[in-house]
Amino acid sequence: NAGVMQNPRHLVRRRGQEARLRCSPMKGHSHVYWYRQLPEEGLKFMVYLQKENIIDESGMPKERFSAEFPKEGPSILRIQQVVRGDSAAYFCASSPELPGELFFGEGSRLTVL
Amino acid sequence: DAKTTQPTSMDCAEGRAANLPCNHSTISGNEYVYWYRQIHSQGPQYIIHGLKNNETNEMASLIITEDRKSSTLILPHATLRDTAVYYCIVRVVRAAGNKLTFGGGTRVLVKP
Repeated sequence: NAGVMQNPRHLVRRRGQEARLRCSPMKGHSHVYWYRQLPEEGLKFMVYLQKENIIDESGMPKERFSAEFPKEGPSILRIQQVVRGDSAAYFCASSPELPGELFFGEGSRLTVL
Repeated sequence: DAKTTQPTSMDCAEGRAANLPCNHSTISGNEYVYWYRQIHSQGPQYIIHGLKNNETNEMASLIITEDRKSSTLILPHATLRDTAVYYCIVRVVRAAGNKLTFGGGTRVLVKP
């Protein structure tokens, strides 16, 4: 049973470009969470999604950031018009339908030049 | 979810037990205590969780005080690979919406 898969593991973008980060949850998991970790800082919750629904986006910046979890395919975290402050590690986690632990991927590291 | 307080950092000798304390004095009756750790640059890893009773698994033991206002994570025989930031999180387990809120954690350095 494969774990949470994130790609790309490393992404370099220039200011103003778009970044797309993908997350495939563990098999059988229908809940996906995105977290951001700025350099030398803690993990900050961004958004929680179920299939085709955003449940909690209280941690998402108001502009340029969006997330989706379509019926088919991975969850996508999209950052438009990236700025240097977006440079961070972005972690995805998934959990099953019933209450359970969150399982994290290895993260996607975004560097904005 | 209740707030937790952990020491910022602690050292531990390799092969010895590491005892990581956590205070959660405002914990509610339906809130669980969870422990995760993050080894450098990796994704957080689940360790253990409990409600009232002490718990043990292959990774660690969790001791929760009778009043549930504090707990201790015990790594019985620390190895160098246990060097990580350890997070104590208190939260309600819902049918949906298992969001974790991470604090600063305890930075544990296991020394040879």
